[in-house]
Amino acid sequence: GNSVTQMEGPVTLSEEAFLTINCTYTATGYPSLFWYVQYPGEGLQLLLKATKADDKGSNKGFEATYRKETTSFHLEKGSVQVSDSAVYFCALSDSNFNKFYFGSGTKLNVKP
Amino acid sequence: DAGITQSPRHKVTETGTPVTLRCHQTENHRYMYWYRQDPEHGLRLIHYSYGVKDTDKGEVSDGYSVSRSKTEDFLLTLESATSSQTSVYFCAIRLADTDTQYFGPGTRLTVL
Repeated sequence: GNSVTQMEGPVTLSEEAFLTINCTYTATGYPSLFWYVQYPGEGLQLLLKATKADDKGSNKGFEATYRKETTSFHLEKGSVQVSDSAVYFCALSDSNFNKFYFGSGTKLNVKP
Repeated sequence: DAGITQSPRHKVTETGTPVTLRCHQTENHRYMYWYRQDPEHGLRLIHYSYGVKDTDKGEVSDGYSVSRSKTEDFLLTLESATSSQTSVYFCAIRLADTDTQYFGPGTRLTVL
């Protein structure tokens, strides 16, 4: 079946530190992979996505590369800001885009 | 925000009572989804719809039913609420022929 596993939080970093949030997946077929971000009191927002192996998704300084050989989609940012504090969710969709599977979320706290 | 609203935004109810949550969209998207968010599980799909009167089950559909009698509204019903259904419920739409979802603001439901 399909599932997503991401590192547990919270992750606490100082401003300008390097960020990595690990995500691995199990899937049948050829899933698309996503990172969503959730700010307090809000719904999820799409941060970036990749639709096939070796694709790199990027947005707002965040990047993630679809690694089929390691079934991973790790989120990285070179220099985090206080405004990046949020909960980050890794997700995948089945080949038909009908069903989506989310990880449990990783809370990021960035301190000034 | 893809014109998604959810109502009510907050609800407190008692065990055994029926509860209906509403998701409304203004842009005639075909695909709509209901998720629940829990700290230990992240987001889990309850039901989804791929058109008027066309629905299917997700991961955690037991205890929930849905209806979609018109394109713009997708209703989630808890026939007899239980404390285990205390959660934050998110509605989402997906653009046709894409893998991108947009989420509503959420409904916080507490079952006492």
